[in-house]
Amino acid sequence: EAGVAQSPRYKIIEKRQSVAFWCNPISGHATLYWYQQILGQGPKLLIQFQNNGVVDDSQLPKDRFSAERLKGVDSTLKIQPAKLEDSAVYLCASSSGLSSYEQYFGPGTRLTVT
Amino acid sequence: QKEVEQDPGPLSVPEGAIVSLNCTYSNSAFQYFMWYRQYSRKGPELLMYTYSSGNKEDGRFTAQVDKSSKYISLFIRDSQPSDSATYLCAMRVQGAQKLVFGQGTRLTINP
Repeated sequence: EAGVAQSPRYKIIEKRQSVAFWCNPISGHATLYWYQQILGQGPKLLIQFQNNGVVDDSQLPKDRFSAERLKGVDSTLKIQPAKLEDSAVYLCASSSGLSSYEQYFGPGTRLTVT
Repeated sequence: QKEVEQDPGPLSVPEGAIVSLNCTYSNSAFQYFMWYRQYSRKGPELLMYTYSSGNKEDGRFTAQVDKSSKYISLFIRDSQPSDSATYLCAMRVQGAQKLVFGQGTRLTINP
């Protein structure tokens, strides 16, 4: 079974630029999550999708971050404009459904904002 | 105060030692408790999962939950160099999928 795929693996941008990350979850997984992991901290949930609907985006900075999951499969997370404090690893995870306790994580995209 | 507190370490022990990792939490509504292992430049992977209070054992790993003290632990017996990683505790409430993670403890097992 293929795992969660993410791209790019690394990205360096200047502040005020925009950036987008892509995630392909495990086949058949209805629930998809985006987490932000700042160096030395645990992951923090940004947004959770159930199929193509948003379940929780309470911690997403909506003035600069946006995410979508068209067709309920792949997802993209965008930051525009980026700030220095957005430097982090952005992790995508998926699970088989709302009743599933296990989330499977991708390798993450490491973003550096200079 | 953070909902979940975890000593970031780093923790360095010799091979074969027993390792104890701990988290405390403040939200009494947490019912599901997990430990994730994260190798450098990789995503976290689920190691242990416990519902409510009690102990759970899986090979060299034992997870303990004490809800009365709001305290969870992960024990690693006969530690191996391959156990060197960051260990993250995570919790969630009944009926929700959102995980709240601790800061993570960086563990090194020295051969």
